[in-house]
Amino acid sequence: QVQLQESGPGLVKPSQTLSLTCTVSGDSISSGSYYWSWIRQPAGKALEWIGRIYASGSSNYNPSLGRRVSISVDTSKSQFSLNLSSVTAADTAVYYCARGRFPGVPRYYYYMDVWGKGTTVTVSS
Amino acid sequence: DIVMTQSPVSLPVTPGEPASISCRSSQSLLHGDGYNFLDWYLQKPGQSPQLLIYLGSNRASGVPDRFNGSGSGTDFTLKISRVEPEDVGVYYCMQPLQTPFTFGPGTKVEIK
Repeated sequence: QVQLQESGPGLVKPSQTLSLTCTVSGDSISSGSYYWSWIRQPAGKALEWIGRIYASGSSNYNPSLGRRVSISVDTSKSQFSLNLSSVTAADTAVYYCARGRFPGVPRYYYYMDVWGKGTTVTVSS
Repeated sequence: DIVMTQSPVSLPVTPGEPASISCRSSQSLLHGDGYNFLDWYLQKPGQSPQLLIYLGSNRASGVPDRFNGSGSGTDFTLKISRVEPEDVGVYYCMQPLQTPFTFGPGTKVEIK
C-alpha cells in the first residue's frame, strides 16, 4: 500500500526558506504513471495547489507563488521536496504532499488519489 | 486562473436524508476528449483530503454508491443519496484541467 510522509521543520523564520520532503513508500516514485505534488491549507481555509513534478523532473508551479517555489525529486531516495523562499506569515499552513495518478484515459488527466497526513509549518520569529 | 465556486458554504443534514452540493467553474472543464476535468474531495475532520469522484461522475475506489457526481461544462453537482454520520466534513471541488489547479472554497457538511 503506497504511503506518503511529509517531513521538515515545523517553524521557519520570516524571510527564510521553507524546506519540506515527502517520502514515498510502497510504490515506485519513478513510474511514468504518476506525478508528485504539494498542496497547502492555511488554518480554517481552503486548499491551495502549490505545484507538481514528474519523475523526469518536469514541473509546474502556481504563479501566485512567483519565483519563490521550487519542487525537486530524488528517485534514488524515493523522495520529492518543496522549497519556498522568502516566507512570510502568509505561508503558515498545513502542507500536504500527494500523488497524481494517470488512469489511462483521457489524455493529460491525473487524479490525486494518495495524500500524506500533512505537516504544519508556522512562519514566525 | 480558473475560479471555482461552491454552494452552499454550510450544509446541515439529517442522517438518512439526501444532500446536494453545487460547484461552478469560471471556464468550461469539458476537455476535447469529451471528459469533464472536475474532481471532488472530502476532507474529514482532522484528516487529509480524500478523492471521492473523478472526471465529474466516476466514484473513486472504495467510495460508497450513495455518492454521485454529475454535470458538465461549468456546472457540477455532488449528491449524497442518504447521508451517514461518517460523511461529515468539508467537500471540495477541484479542476485539474489547467495549471494552476484550483479548488473551490469548500462546503461544510454537518449533522443536524
